[in-house]
Amino acid sequence: AQSVTQLDSQVPVFEEAPVELRCNYSSSVSVYLFWYVQYPNQGLQLLLKYLSGSTLVKGINGFEAEFNKSQTSFHLRKPSVHISDTAEYFCAVIPAGGGNKLTFGTGTQLKVEL
Amino acid sequence: ETGVTQSPTHLIKTRGQQVTLRCSSQSGHNTVSWYQQALGQGPQFIFQYYREEENGRGNFPPRFSGLQFPNYSSELNVNALELDDSALYLCASSLDGQGALKTQYFGPGTRLLVL
Repeated sequence: AQSVTQLDSQVPVFEEAPVELRCNYSSSVSVYLFWYVQYPNQGLQLLLKYLSGSTLVKGINGFEAEFNKSQTSFHLRKPSVHISDTAEYFCAVIPAGGGNKLTFGTGTQLKVEL
Repeated sequence: ETGVTQSPTHLIKTRGQQVTLRCSSQSGHNTVSWYQQALGQGPQFIFQYYREEENGRGNFPPRFSGLQFPNYSSELNVNALELDDSALYLCASSLDGQGALKTQYFGPGTRLLVL
């Protein structure tokens, strides 16, 4: 079984400041990792994913994430946030081999202020 | 290429009633997964369908059931609704396989309120 921990339930940040949203996971098997964003009253939009290869992955809207296998982490970063980045961010994992269930964290609410 | 669509967008039911939610997969995708997202929580896996057969199930009771049709559209049925079933129900489509094929793309969701 897999589990995902997002320790920060809310992250307030000023516009144009950098931000890091933390994600740690636990799994007895290799996993693929994802970050999704959810804007108010909407579904989930894929930001980026790590499957294999380079541990630094770039996604949409200027976001990037780094996979750290030894620390079982997949933190999301953006060097300069915009008001429009205000949303809920979810980290998720799925087994790389058999298994088809996405396991999500509880989410981090990013609030960008002027 | 069309994305994942869901209907209806909102629904209000009373306890004990039955509900059917619908999902159309992204063009070319043959696998559909359903998730329940309670307020303030991350999505929880209900089940997945591949080629019209259930292909994995989470910790949900049998009153949650589903169907997948030959055109890969899908339904989620919930019988004997309970107050705790109030949530956003998300459908996600993907391709069966490994690697990037496991990426799931989500629809906008159906918000269900049970009174």
